[in-house]
Amino acid sequence: ELKVEQNPLFLSMQEGKNYTIYCNYSTTSDRLYWYRQDPGKSLESLFVLLSNGAVKQEGRLMASLDTKARLSTLHITAAVHDLSATYFCAVVFQWSGGSNYKLTFGKGTLLTVNP
Amino acid sequence: NAGVTQTPKFQVLKTGQSMTLQCAQDMNHNSMYWYRQDPGMGLRLIYYSASEGTTDKGEVPNGYNVSRLNKREFSLRLESAAPSQTSVYFCASRAGEWETQYFGPGTRLLVL
Repeated sequence: ELKVEQNPLFLSMQEGKNYTIYCNYSTTSDRLYWYRQDPGKSLESLFVLLSNGAVKQEGRLMASLDTKARLSTLHITAAVHDLSATYFCAVVFQWSGGSNYKLTFGKGTLLTVNP
Repeated sequence: NAGVTQTPKFQVLKTGQSMTLQCAQDMNHNSMYWYRQDPGMGLRLIYYSASEGTTDKGEVPNGYNVSRLNKREFSLRLESAAPSQTSVYFCASRAGEWETQYFGPGTRLLVL
């Protein structure tokens, strides 16, 4: 069974500070997604990481993937209040003959950026 | 292009009542999904449809049924609602293999 663990689950930061969210998973996978969810809203896709060593950046967020370590990181640089949200990683797991896949989600990291 | 739409947005049911959650996508995607989200649990897959006419169970299918009515629509039915089914339900779709899943706005369900 694929397990996806995020840490920390809760993160309170000051504006301007840097921090990293970690996503560990238990089974081989070479595709990982990061999503953002604002309170009471749906999930918005942030990054798709397709292979070992992949790095994606968008504004103050940078995501990376190490498939050998089964680890992805979401790094926040110089946090601003607008980044306050819950961040989920989701790992691809193939099943049912290979043409189908499912996402297994971490429990999410609730990020609060304080002025 | 509305993306993924869900109805209703909110619903309150009594234990034992039935209801159907509707989902539609206008992106011509083949695959559609139903998830539930509970506090501290992330999202868990209920059912999945790889293409029109096919459905498959996910991680937590008990108490639910689905119908892939056509390529656009994928409905989730609760035949006899239980308080444990109080949750936020998200529908998602994707175009093809390895593509990103796009999520609908969610349905908030309270079962009393």
